[in-house]
Amino acid sequence: GAGVSQSPRYKVAKRGQDVALRCDPISGHVSLFWYQQALGQGPEFLTYFQNEAQLDKSGLPSDRFFAERPEGSVSTLKIQRTQQEDSAVYLCASSSSISGQGARDSPLHFGNGTRLTVT
Amino acid sequence: AQTVTQSQPEMSVQEAETVTLSCTYDTSESNYYLFWYKQPPSRQMILVIRQEAYKQQNATENRFSVNFQKAAKSFSLKISDSQLGDTAMYFCAFMTPRGGYQKVTFGTGTKLQVIP
Repeated sequence: GAGVSQSPRYKVAKRGQDVALRCDPISGHVSLFWYQQALGQGPEFLTYFQNEAQLDKSGLPSDRFFAERPEGSVSTLKIQRTQQEDSAVYLCASSSSISGQGARDSPLHFGNGTRLTVT
Repeated sequence: AQTVTQSQPEMSVQEAETVTLSCTYDTSESNYYLFWYKQPPSRQMILVIRQEAYKQQNATENRFSVNFQKAAKSFSLKISDSQLGDTAMYFCAFMTPRGGYQKVTFGTGTKLQVIP
């Protein structure tokens, strides 16, 4: 596709339910990022993939959060046993940059995000 | 750790006028990049302008320009001839190429309203 695609656009979950959020990056982009954006805040880094390898998961807030990108393209962010504090917009971004090349040549391309509401 | 501070939660400007959004940051790195992103109600983050710290010349992109003061760690965005389509959240962001990938740190944002 022409851009980063995320689904669903909206997700309502009852506390304790598991959810899965999907990100389809720009074709050929090796780098993929997940960000969490709470209401009224800026996005905060969750995790980074280079192809299928998860190189940085330092931003994941708890072990209830899990991300995967098994074939180096589509990624899924899974949240187990959702809590109200998980309510946020989850943004995915991709980039053609490769670790070691630096970041000057390719800005991040963001999707429209998934708004998760936990009731 | 890097921090990015935007002290103006909300701002408004008349259509066709000029507005400046403020941003300060803190880092011990010498090589880094600064960005301004726009987030309209569609939620998609759109890159507005980018500045490399080693460049003394301020970046410009059409109606958008920055005032980069490296010693003061200040990075403000000026929007000239404001248009209704400029209404959005604006985020200042910081990134160091250490590690080779774009782990970006964002500020808390400024909500800009352009008034007809």
